[in-house]
Amino acid sequence: GAVVSQHPSRVICKSGTSVKIECRSLDFQATTMFWYRQFPKQSLMLMATSNEGSKATYEQGVEKDKFLINHASLTLSTLTVTSAHPEDSSFYICSARRDPGADTQYFGPGTRLTVL
Amino acid sequence: GENVEQHPSTLSVQEGDSAVIKCTYSDSASNYFPWYKQELGKRPQLIIDIRSNVGEKKDQRIAVTLNKTAKHFSLHITETQPEDSAVYFCAASIRGGSYIPTFGRGTSLIVHP
Repeated sequence: GAVVSQHPSRVICKSGTSVKIECRSLDFQATTMFWYRQFPKQSLMLMATSNEGSKATYEQGVEKDKFLINHASLTLSTLTVTSAHPEDSSFYICSARRDPGADTQYFGPGTRLTVL
Repeated sequence: GENVEQHPSTLSVQEGDSAVIKCTYSDSASNYFPWYKQELGKRPQLIIDIRSNVGEKKDQRIAVTLNKTAKHFSLHITETQPEDSAVYFCAASIRGGSYIPTFGRGTSLIVHP
């Protein structure tokens, strides 16, 4: 199979703190991972494409200094929400592809971030 | 860029009925169309996909049809069951190294027992 894990599943933090979310491909190597944000009852909004060994590619309107992405290895990408504010509260989901040219994505279980 | 429209936003059916969800896309170069099922608070899971070299694909109670000329594709669920209740997302993308899917807004399917 193709299993993607995310940690933590839930996090509650105070406004102004930073939160790191990890995305791991457990049984395959992923040169590319994607980070999405999902608001209640809404679709998946692509935030950025994380490339192993290089800088992430951010979608228009997503602040790269606010949402730091590091893809340090072929099985791990991290998203750090810096100086979090209540409006950053959301469901963050990562996904990965088995092969660079593959079209199928496998999603992580998501992280529910609540900023007080 | 690609634009994917999905309808309806909510679909309510009785158990045993069929459900159809429709999507249209704008980029004629798109050639990969997956469908995801997402239960509340959980990850989207791929349930079926279709590539542009075929017009229809079926997997037990689920089928997807593709009309490349009209640029629309549909998900068909037959003999619906309460456990089919979830949000369904369609997506469109171009196969290859730069594959990045565009998702529809989702359809909330409710199957009443």
